[in-house]
Amino acid sequence: AQSVTQPDIHITVSEGASLELRCNYSYGATPYLFWYVQSPGQGLQLLLKYFSGDTLVQGIKGFEAEFKRSQSSFNLRKPSVHWSDAAEYFCAVDLGITGGGNKLTFGTGTQLKVEL
Amino acid sequence: EPEVTQTPSHQVTQMGQEVILRCVPISNHLYFYWYRQILGQKVEFLVSFYNNEISEKSEIFDDQFSVERPDGSNFTLKIRSTKLEDSAMYFCASSRDLYEQYFGPGTRLTVT
Repeated sequence: AQSVTQPDIHITVSEGASLELRCNYSYGATPYLFWYVQSPGQGLQLLLKYFSGDTLVQGIKGFEAEFKRSQSSFNLRKPSVHWSDAAEYFCAVDLGITGGGNKLTFGTGTQLKVEL
Repeated sequence: EPEVTQTPSHQVTQMGQEVILRCVPISNHLYFYWYRQILGQKVEFLVSFYNNEISEKSEIFDDQFSVERPDGSNFTLKIRSTKLEDSAMYFCASSRDLYEQYFGPGTRLTVT
């Protein structure tokens, strides 16, 4: 079965520092890959997605992610973190599209804390 | 910007009671989903719905669960007889195509 691993449960960074959140997936084929962010009391907001093509994808809020097939990874990065980035981040995968919609499998999430 | 809305934000119910969680997807979307997140655990897929029928459901989505799109705007999740283990945050999502799902803020269900 497909699975998604986010090895870091909690990460603390200083404001202005760079950030990398790790995500690994386990599946034979390349799934569709997503990063979502959840702020307290909010729903899940899509940051970026990868389906095919350029392995470096740009998202909202200055985030980017790089797909590395050899490592089965899709790590999220941001060059300079802002205090408002404190939230929980979820990596998600989807095997592909069926006729009636796609089904996301989520990682356990990484809680990001930003120190001022 | 259009968004998915969910009501109520928090529902408390007694074990064995029926609950209906309501969602208003984005108006031109065609695909609808429910997910849940038990406290401290992963977000889990429950069901997808397209063209007025269930497209796929997980093993969690047993006979106690049902979904309905009663009119052109609402999408509901019903739990017939709630159990303690149904306590979770329930997220509704919708998508216009098969690529990008938009999530609502969630309904926190507490079963006592």
